[in-house]
Amino acid sequence: DAGITQSPRHKVTETGTPVTLRCHQTENHRYMYWYRQDPGHGLRLIHYSYGVKDTDKGEVSDGYSVSRSKTEDFLLTLESATSSQTSVYFCAISGTGGSYEQYFGPGTRLTVT
Amino acid sequence: AQSVTQLGSHVSVSEGALVLLRCNYSSSVPPYLFWYVQYPNQGLQLLLKYTSAATLVKGINGFEAEFKKSETSFHLTKPSAHMSDAAEYFCAVSDSGGSNYKLTFGKGTLLTVNP
Repeated sequence: DAGITQSPRHKVTETGTPVTLRCHQTENHRYMYWYRQDPGHGLRLIHYSYGVKDTDKGEVSDGYSVSRSKTEDFLLTLESATSSQTSVYFCAISGTGGSYEQYFGPGTRLTVT
Repeated sequence: AQSVTQLGSHVSVSEGALVLLRCNYSSSVPPYLFWYVQYPNQGLQLLLKYTSAATLVKGINGFEAEFKKSETSFHLTKPSAHMSDAAEYFCAVSDSGGSNYKLTFGKGTLLTVNP
């Protein structure tokens, strides 16, 4: 299995509070991604990173920000959590082998009350 | 932009029966295609991938998929379902011509296997 961990694995927070989720990899892969998974929507890309301090928006980036100060860590921040951000969040990584495959972490279940 | 359509959000089969999960894609360039499996409360696991080599791709756990360019399809099959195959399956297509290795995922198909 790819060395990807996510923390916390579960979190309950209140509307309006900031929340930071962490993704950590030990594979030294260049690309990292944050997705959210919701019933009936599959996986939707929030933000991604193509190198240290290089990030870009995905299709559902509103209300989220990211940072990557080291190759191994990719942080997702909900600036002011809302109930619509209750979801399961997955981090993924990809190398530069040219075949596009991504490897996923175990996920973080976030509930915003 | 590329897109993926998985026909059938829920497929139910009997143990020992053929499994067929459908995936159609749209892409302006020859794509890379993937199937992932997700067991309850886990992350996604790569099942198999098509990267422009053989059109019939074999994956883990006895699954295989065939790339058909004329039909823009990449259906997943397994000759004989096992109870342990019960999971959600996602088809994904690579970003057309992109350099950031992004994937677009279908909405998933939940496979139920009945004894």
